[in-house]
Amino acid sequence: GAGVSQSPSNKVTEKGKDVELRCDPISGHTALYWYRQSLGQGLEFLIYFQGNSAPDKSGLPSDRFSAERTGGSVSTLTIQRTQQEDSAVYLCASSAAGAGETQYFGPGTRLLVL
Amino acid sequence: KQEVTQIPAALSVPEGENLVLNCSFTDSAIYNLQWFRQDPGKGLTSLLLIQSSQREQTSGRLNASLDKSSGRSTLYIAASQPGDSATYLCAPCKGYALNFGKGTSLLVTP
Repeated sequence: GAGVSQSPSNKVTEKGKDVELRCDPISGHTALYWYRQSLGQGLEFLIYFQGNSAPDKSGLPSDRFSAERTGGSVSTLTIQRTQQEDSAVYLCASSAAGAGETQYFGPGTRLLVL
Repeated sequence: KQEVTQIPAALSVPEGENLVLNCSFTDSAIYNLQWFRQDPGKGLTSLLLIQSSQREQTSGRLNASLDKSSGRSTLYIAASQPGDSATYLCAPCKGYALNFGKGTSLLVTP
């Protein structure tokens, strides 16, 4: 079956612009996660959704970052007023339920802020 | 904050060797631990998940062990192949978020 998909695969933007990153989880998966992989920082957790609600937003690095999920499926991560330090690979994962389940990752969106 | 350390950072072995990748973590109150591989420019592929109540998990040539009380996990790869070349990431999970180490970069030469 289809895995987690993300779009766009690559995004180049100018500093100060807003960007939207999209994630389509595996069909039927109720839990969805966003992570960021920066050079030299490793992979860091950003936000977790169970259904359409986000019980854990603890990893969002600033108020310029927001995310939503609609219909218990597609999620969008929005970064406002992008900065060069936002350049990273943004990875989305989903799992069948929540804690204790295997997380399956998408291919990521590579964001470059000039 | 969970700190995850993976040793070695990089490893190069000839094809056919058995090898062990090490992972240690500071907070032993975890639900489970996942091992992933990441190929260059690609996302993460889940290899194994060990629940906190388990000691080990096997899939094909891969065997992962977990010693929760000491905060350690190992990934054993038997009879390595060039296709095993990738970065291997260890990720203990407490709650919902995975906490990742920086990985072991493995190169298996023909």
